[in-house]
Amino acid sequence: SQQGEEDPQALSIQEGENATMNCSYKTSINNLQWYRQNSGRGLVHLILIRSNEREKHSGRLRVTLDTSKKSSSLLITASRAADTASYFCATEPAFGSEKLVFGKGTKLTVNP
Amino acid sequence: DTGVSQNPRHKITKRGQNVTFRCDPISEHNRLYWYRQTLGQGPEFLTYFQNEAQLEKSRLLSDRFSAERPKGSFSTLEIQRTEQGDSAMYLCASSAPRDRYRETQYFGPGTRLLVL
Repeated sequence: SQQGEEDPQALSIQEGENATMNCSYKTSINNLQWYRQNSGRGLVHLILIRSNEREKHSGRLRVTLDTSKKSSSLLITASRAADTASYFCATEPAFGSEKLVFGKGTKLTVNP
Repeated sequence: DTGVSQNPRHKITKRGQNVTFRCDPISEHNRLYWYRQTLGQGPEFLTYFQNEAQLEKSRLLSDRFSAERPKGSFSTLEIQRTEQGDSAMYLCASSAPRDRYRETQYFGPGTRLLVL
């Protein structure tokens, strides 16, 4: 079963705007990772944030983590048409497993 | 570092046939994972290996599914007596020997299976 829920399920914005996607999860985690998937392709790792971290940046990406609310957000600034993809959050459970538990994803469309 | 590779990229088969997929992880990675993704959903964990040992299997992995990693390098995933419900993208990922700073799983391009 899938642990996470991304919100919104779909997001359409204009090039240059910022895109914010949210993720909620259910159990304690070691880390939370965000991946991007272009249509019909494999997943590309974007950023990892550990359970003891609150915010991380990588280029145009900013990720926050609130373990008390079991939620995370991914902000993409100054979006480009090439950012069009599905974005997934994935959590690694805190105890006894290295598997990743994915949400259903947010489908982002950036219009030129 | 050539990344994770998977073969074949696409497979069409008839119901009841057996299929086998191969995954070659990044060369120094000792951990290898299999996931399945259906349309409109996120990937779901199937199984994972540390070296040649299969350490965890999901309940999704019915007795028709078997995965091996005989020498701790490449892995195969076999589905016997395929059913239409097996149609999905099968994704493989690998990660480095575990320490606190190397948890990232790197995914291959996937094998898309269609069972007719």
